[in-house]
Amino acid sequence: EAGVAQSPRYKIIEKRQSVAFWCNPISGHATLYWYQQILGQGPKLLIQFQNNGVVDDSQLPKDRFSAERLKGVDSTLKIQPAKLEDSAVYLCASSFRGTNSPLHFGNGTRLTVT
Amino acid sequence: AQSVTQLDSHVSVSEGTPVLLRCNYSSSYSPSLFWYVQHPNKGLQLLLKYTSAATLVKGINGFEAEFKKSETSFHLTKPSAHMSDAAEYFCVVSHTGGFKTIFGAGTRLFVKA
Repeated sequence: EAGVAQSPRYKIIEKRQSVAFWCNPISGHATLYWYQQILGQGPKLLIQFQNNGVVDDSQLPKDRFSAERLKGVDSTLKIQPAKLEDSAVYLCASSFRGTNSPLHFGNGTRLTVT
Repeated sequence: AQSVTQLDSHVSVSEGTPVLLRCNYSSSYSPSLFWYVQHPNKGLQLLLKYTSAATLVKGINGFEAEFKKSETSFHLTKPSAHMSDAAEYFCVVSHTGGFKTIFGAGTRLFVKA
């Protein structure tokens, strides 16, 4: 089966600019996650979707981050405006049905904010 | 509430010697537990999972982990380390029937020749 696809692979922007990341999960996976992984730390959940709906966005900085999952398939994560501390790898993952199913991760997008 | 603690930020072993990466968890309900591995500049890959079946779980690449409810631990082991095992390892806890997935801070494994 095809894995989780993410793009772009790398992105460099200046602070206060905006950026968007795209994720295409494994076909048939109902649950989609966005994680932020800062260098030297474990992934931190930003938002979790179950089909179209948001299950958990408690750690999403909603003043600057937004995410959507159209038609329960692809998802986009946006940052506007970016701050220096947003420099991180943004990981998208999907699972068949919720948190008891293993997560399948994409290769991530490495964001550098200068 | 759920939490997961990886007791060592770094572990260094010699090739051919045993590996032990320690993980303690806290969960109010029956947990599902996972270990993931992340090689440099690569995505995270599932090593193994525990979901209330056998307490000793075998994973890929010769790794295994034992669920010990009395000690709230889920330590990852391998009898003989290989150079290719050098990577970052994450212990993950989730809640049966719930929606929270919590990652530990990670343990970086170094393997010396």
